[in-house]
Amino acid sequence: GQNIDQPTEMTATEGAIVQINCTYQTSGFNGLFWYQQHAGEAPTFLSYNVLDGLEEKGRFSSFLSRSKGYSYLLLKELQMKDSASYLCAVRDTAGNYGQNFVFGPGTRLSVLP
Amino acid sequence: DAGVIQSPRHEVTEMGQEVTLRCKPISGHDYLFWYRQTMMRGLELLIYFNNNVPIDDSGMPEDRFSAKMPNASFSTLKIQPSEPRDSAVYFCASSPQGDQYFGPGTRLLVL
Repeated sequence: GQNIDQPTEMTATEGAIVQINCTYQTSGFNGLFWYQQHAGEAPTFLSYNVLDGLEEKGRFSSFLSRSKGYSYLLLKELQMKDSASYLCAVRDTAGNYGQNFVFGPGTRLSVLP
Repeated sequence: DAGVIQSPRHEVTEMGQEVTLRCKPISGHDYLFWYRQTMMRGLELLIYFNNNVPIDDSGMPEDRFSAKMPNASFSTLKIQPSEPRDSAVYFCASSPQGDQYFGPGTRLLVL
């Protein structure tokens, strides 16, 4: 089956660092994606990992361990505008073309002043 | 590019009525996805197309739902007849073959 787990909610302080974890179990693996979604808006792409290791992109970094079925999103120098839901998604190889995206429930991050 | 365009942005209808949601993907993107998002179930993939051909519709909840992509620049998701449990935000997304670009969504309320 397919299962993706993330913490439901997290709170952090402006200027701090926060790590959002994601664990997954899918029948196949063709990449892991992180999306940001502000309330009432569409998800927007943040990062993509297909190989093990850390991908850094400004204040955002994402890590992947395929053997452990684990990823995390690291947000540094938190700003108030980072308050949003963060969705972990695995692209499964199941079916033709390997574009079956499975999303986690999302982690709602609140950044406090 | 204007990004993925969806219409209508909001739809309120009564149970039993037909609902048609529309999507224009980003030009040049080979893949088009339809998602549904609710508080209870999160973001669920309903169906996706490659070069206008439906590839995987295993996420379509039941026969009341159908999706078409008559050409590279237009897709529809139809619900007939609609039910209150179909109330959700429906997103269309397109992709060249990697990360997806989401449209603004259609907020559907079935009374």
